[in-house]
Amino acid sequence: GAGVSQSPRYKVTKRGQDVALRCDPISGHVSLYWYRQALGQGPEFLTYFNYEAQQDKSGLPNDRFSAERPEGSISTLTIQRTEQRDSAMYRCASSLRSAGGYSNQPQHFGDGTRLSIL
Amino acid sequence: QQQVKQSPQSLIVQKGGISIINCAYENTAFDYFPWYQQFPGKGPALLIAIRPDVSEKKEGRFTISFNKSAKQFSLHIMDSQPGDSATYFCAASLVHGSSNTGKLIFGQGTTLQVKP
Repeated sequence: GAGVSQSPRYKVTKRGQDVALRCDPISGHVSLYWYRQALGQGPEFLTYFNYEAQQDKSGLPNDRFSAERPEGSISTLTIQRTEQRDSAMYRCASSLRSAGGYSNQPQHFGDGTRLSIL
Repeated sequence: QQQVKQSPQSLIVQKGGISIINCAYENTAFDYFPWYQQFPGKGPALLIAIRPDVSEKKEGRFTISFNKSAKQFSLHIMDSQPGDSATYFCAASLVHGSSNTGKLIFGQGTTLQVKP
């Protein structure tokens, strides 16, 4: 398919473990966003990449959260020493970005990774 | 400054009726206002979007009305159908300028049920 692909779809792990969530954006999409969505709420911004550069990480809750996109395509969101409050749906979105810096391009969302911390 | 408030939380409409969802924002610098539709088990999908230099945008049965002075915008779904039953999110963003990332600030969502 040509959409944003996220893996795994579901992740259950014990408190204290590290987890890595993967996002494969739409081919050619320069911009990549990570959001977290609690049940019954709208997605909440975590971090943003333009190509491989992480240009905004203001939404990361604390230093246990990190993200990378080393080759400007696939991105990984890593949560270290997980806590129960980290349980949520984690969503990735990608979009085109015009050369003029006008970022009004639709964001295409993946179906997310449901993370459950026991 | 960054909040987007959405109402109602849930909405039940008869088939053929009009569904109306409202949003209010605080940051007057926002310059892009999309609406997303989300079905269970799926990610949000862009439905329609508006920029603040227009007061209304219509695409098929979906219309956005935008009131810049009141800092409010709304989604109207005409002739609502059971297939429109989903969760709807409004959002706001800063998109103009190379320093803006286009990150979306979402409302809390509205669950719409259209009864046959």
